[in-house]
Amino acid sequence: KAGVTQTPRYLIKTRGQQVTLSCSPISGHRSVSWYQQTPGQGLQFLFEYFSETQRNKGNFPGRFSGRQFSNSRSEMNVSTLELGDSALYLCASRLAANTGELFFGEGSRLTVL
Amino acid sequence: GENVEQHPSTLSVQEGDSAVIKCTYSDSASNYFPWYKQELGKRPQLIIDIRSNVGEKKDQRIAVTLNKTAKHFSLHITETQPEDSAVYFCAASIDYKLSFGAGTTVTVRA
Repeated sequence: KAGVTQTPRYLIKTRGQQVTLSCSPISGHRSVSWYQQTPGQGLQFLFEYFSETQRNKGNFPGRFSGRQFSNSRSEMNVSTLELGDSALYLCASRLAANTGELFFGEGSRLTVL
Repeated sequence: GENVEQHPSTLSVQEGDSAVIKCTYSDSASNYFPWYKQELGKRPQLIIDIRSNVGEKKDQRIAVTLNKTAKHFSLHITETQPEDSAVYFCAASIDYKLSFGAGTTVTVRA
């Protein structure tokens, strides 16, 4: 069974631009979560989607948004990029929103110049 | 929201010794506590988890203990090996919404 796939793996943007990241969950998994990973800050929760509905949201500004499609694939968008948005963005899927184990993708590393 | 603190931030141990990482959480309603391991350049993976109705769980060389009264839980790794070198994240969950600690970088010295 294929794992969680994230694209692109690496990208470089400049301040003020916007970016869209994509995540394809494990087949059959209906829940997709997004996390921001920066050194020293651990994994900061962005949001979780289940059956195309946002179930939970972390404490990030409105510039961070996401959505989920009917095939469970998810995208997250960051508008008006700031230098501090440079991070590894990890997507994780699980079978349902009330099951425990998260299966992470390899992440999309965003650098904002 | 839930706040999870993790200590220490870095830990260096001699191969064969034990390693202990401690986490505290703020919300007594938290009921699920997983631990994830992230090797350098790789994705985090679940290594062990515990639910609030259990005080201790073991899986070979790793164990997790939970003290609900004190609101803290710990990861114990015995007989450490070089492949245990990684970043370890604890997390606490209310209704399966996970809040992660900042991570502990474990280095096992040969």
